Amino acid sequence: DAKTTQPPSMDCAEGRAANLPCNHSTISGNEYVYWYRQIHSQGPQYIIHGLKNNETNEMASLIITEDRKSSTLILPHATLRDTAVYYCIVRVSINDYKLSFGAGTTVTVRA
Amino acid sequence: GAVVSQHPSRVICKSGTSVKIECRSLDFQATTMFWYRQFPKQSLMLMATSNEGSKATYEQGVEKDKFLINHASLTLSTLTVTSAHPEDSSFYICSASGQYGYTFGSGTRLTVV
Repeated sequence: DAKTTQPPSMDCAEGRAANLPCNHSTISGNEYVYWYRQIHSQGPQYIIHGLKNNETNEMASLIITEDRKSSTLILPHATLRDTAVYYCIVRVSINDYKLSFGAGTTVTVRA
Repeated sequence: GAVVSQHPSRVICKSGTSVKIECRSLDFQATTMFWYRQFPKQSLMLMATSNEGSKATYEQGVEKDKFLINHASLTLSTLTVTSAHPEDSSFYICSASGQYGYTFGSGTRLTVV
């Protein structure tokens, strides 16, 4: 079973911020939260990852709650090319390098 | 940055033949490689985990004799679908774990006719 839960879909207006929530209430203290996205018929693309502190890079920002049970990926200015399935992922367990993929959130950016 | 090259990107083969998919980490050494398959409108499903020089570990329900995995070096893993059948048609994706975290290949669309 996946260790993360995300809303199945989300619409966003082009140019606006997209906030993607993720619940990972069973995450262990030293496990990272990873975010990837998958555009149709391509391999997943890395977006960002974090442990405890908020993170920002050229693609997105990641806000992790203090208890680490949930996080939010923020795409600051969504474009049509951001339309994709977004996966919030953690490892299967602290002792296992396998990733646990959930169903992800299908984000549709509309003009 | 980390790049994983996966070939071929798509392949069509006849039922009963075997198909080999290659996954290479181009600029880093991959301690562990993972193979996934993905059906339309579904998430990635892990098939197996391989470490260089050792036998792959398969997930429950995945036939190891049908999906042969070889991880001969720290930069190359191959997945061979043996005696392919139409139900093996799927999108296969590899991933490499290394100093840059997890990097995915671009996927291989396999169609068995």
